[in-house]
Amino acid sequence: DTAVSQTPKYLVTQMGNDKSIKCEQNLGHDTMYWYKQDSKKFLKIMFSYNNKELIINETVPNRFSPKSPDKAHLNLHINSLELGDSAVYFCASSQDPRGATFYGYTFGSGTRLTVV
Amino acid sequence: QKEVEQNSGPLSVPEGAIASLNCTYSDRVSQSFFWYRQYSGKSPELIMSIYSNGDKEDGRFTAQLNKASQYVSLLIRDSQPSDSATYLCAVNRETSYDKVIFGPGTSLSVIP
Repeated sequence: DTAVSQTPKYLVTQMGNDKSIKCEQNLGHDTMYWYKQDSKKFLKIMFSYNNKELIINETVPNRFSPKSPDKAHLNLHINSLELGDSAVYFCASSQDPRGATFYGYTFGSGTRLTVV
Repeated sequence: QKEVEQNSGPLSVPEGAIASLNCTYSDRVSQSFFWYRQYSGKSPELIMSIYSNGDKEDGRFTAQLNKASQYVSLLIRDSQPSDSATYLCAVNRETSYDKVIFGPGTSLSVIP
């Protein structure tokens, strides 16, 4: 069983489209995250949810909207996609908001988004 | 100044040698530090965490932390070609919740 699963794995779309990425974890963790990794491999936090509540919201364009229907799921919706949104998006989870302190994150396999 | 800095590499070492990866961070209140390994096209995986000054050893890996110098390093002994990957240093800025900041990563190549 995959601990943190993301879909789709690859996403190619045109500028201006709206797309969603889904993430699910079966670890029983309370906290989930979205990270963006650009072409230079720089991994940057975007959002964090704890038990469906938004706790971290970095400086991200408001075209990006996370949604957490329950603590096992965290989705990312992106409106009006731009070329600069092309990156790999990683979902991650930790046991609780302080869980990363001792146990680190468990990452999903990533979604490679290409905007053309 | 970036919050977490690493030499981007690539760092090349011969098989069997010691690979030394370095990281500096800017936020003095950071309390926990991590090394993640990321193979090309894969997700990061946690290989070491360290919280106290000094060394922490796990198999062929040794993490070293010096909070006064705001410096953390990773040594890989007896490097193997399978160690070839990008190594990400990460720092946790703890408040009421974790906020892990990653460095840009160092690419390591172990030459057979």
